[in-house]
Amino acid sequence: QKEVEQDPGPLSVPEGAIVSLNCTYSNSAFQYFMWYRQYSRKGPELLMYTYSSGNKEDGRFTAQVDKSSKYISLFIRDSQPSDSATYLCAMSALGGQNFVFGPGTRLSVLP
Amino acid sequence: EAGVVQSPRYKIIEKKQPVAFWCNPISGHNTLYWYLQNLGQGPELLIRYENEEAVDDSQLPKDRFSAERLKGVDSTLKIQPAELGDSAVYLCASSLGGDRDVFFGQGTRLTVV
Repeated sequence: QKEVEQDPGPLSVPEGAIVSLNCTYSNSAFQYFMWYRQYSRKGPELLMYTYSSGNKEDGRFTAQVDKSSKYISLFIRDSQPSDSATYLCAMSALGGQNFVFGPGTRLSVLP
Repeated sequence: EAGVVQSPRYKIIEKKQPVAFWCNPISGHNTLYWYLQNLGQGPELLIRYENEEAVDDSQLPKDRFSAERLKGVDSTLKIQPAELGDSAVYLCASSLGGDRDVFFGQGTRLTVV
């Protein structure tokens, strides 16, 4: 079992849909949780980070962490074609430096 | 402000040949990372620098890979000799420190034939 699992996708949704992207993990030491967006042939860019359990909202994006279930989610409201990319979750232990990335979910938002 | 700059963007070499990648991090960022990303996978850490010091190179295949960060700024990653399985995207990233706000470059796509 990999340390971080992510829904493989690809996921195709119509423009305006609510998108839910999810990751599960096995290491209970993880405290920092991040979501990255990666466009084709580009490097990942940080979208959101959260610390421990709870929700965090930034515009159309909401990150949710449930440490009891070892499950994190990223919700995208009113999805746009420009949201079409691969979404990577990443996490690290408190005080640690080394992120562990999920394999990514490829999202296509169709106009 | 310029982001993390990597060069070259693309490199095609024959197996057993050497290859080097260069990274210029964001100005003022003390922490520098080299990651390997295979197709359809997330990035995997190869090495992390704090200033000039390699503080985590446990995942770097030291028989063929080497890295340096002179003066705590630019960094180079070298493979010698390259193998077919080294074909991947090599990503450089930098941060001010801590687990947050890590910025990635666009990567170098290596193809070994």
